[in-house]
Amino acid sequence: RKEVEQDPGPFNVPEGATVAFNCTYSNSASQSFFWYRQDCRKEPKLLMSVYSSGNEDGRFTAQLNRASQYISLLIRDSKLSDSATYLCVVLYPGNNRKLIWGLGTSLAVNP
Amino acid sequence: DAGITQSPRHKVTETGTPVTLRCHQTENHRYMYWYRQDPGHGLRLIHYSYGVKDTDKGEVSDGYSVSRSKTEDFLLTLESATSSQTSVYFCAMTGGNTIYFGEGSWLTVV
Repeated sequence: RKEVEQDPGPFNVPEGATVAFNCTYSNSASQSFFWYRQDCRKEPKLLMSVYSSGNEDGRFTAQLNRASQYISLLIRDSKLSDSATYLCVVLYPGNNRKLIWGLGTSLAVNP
Repeated sequence: DAGITQSPRHKVTETGTPVTLRCHQTENHRYMYWYRQDPGHGLRLIHYSYGVKDTDKGEVSDGYSVSRSKTEDFLLTLESATSSQTSVYFCAMTGGNTIYFGEGSWLTVV
């Protein structure tokens, strides 16, 4: 089993749709969780951190389920500009700050 | 902007030649990383550094070496470039719990 797994997609949705991605992780001691967004031929950029209680930033909602070891990202009212690859990243415990990346989920929002 | 830059941004080199990529940060962050990203493999860690002269191997370190003589600079060297090292290379640093990336270096080995 991979340490961090994501459905690669692609997810093709119409504008205005709600779409959700999940990311599962294998190390139950994982400390921190993030969603990054990556546009074609660009660097990944932080979309949002994921907090234990769940958090929301505008149209984006992130949740953590420690019991089932997954995090989720919900995008409401999708825009064309949301088309990108969404990367899940997990921070492992320890002093070397080991970051484990998912392969990403591709989203295409269509007019 | 997060204060991290990479150079060169694009390079074409011949098999067998040495190549050095430079990552420069202005944030005085301790942790820095070099990744490569390839289709189907995602981001793979090559080497990372947790301070000046403190570096360690990542999951795909073979054929690569690094140096960190100053907090702000983290160099990645391909001693003898091979075609399998054609990739996009991202440098990153961590500030608090956030990871910031450079804009990437596209390397083609012919």
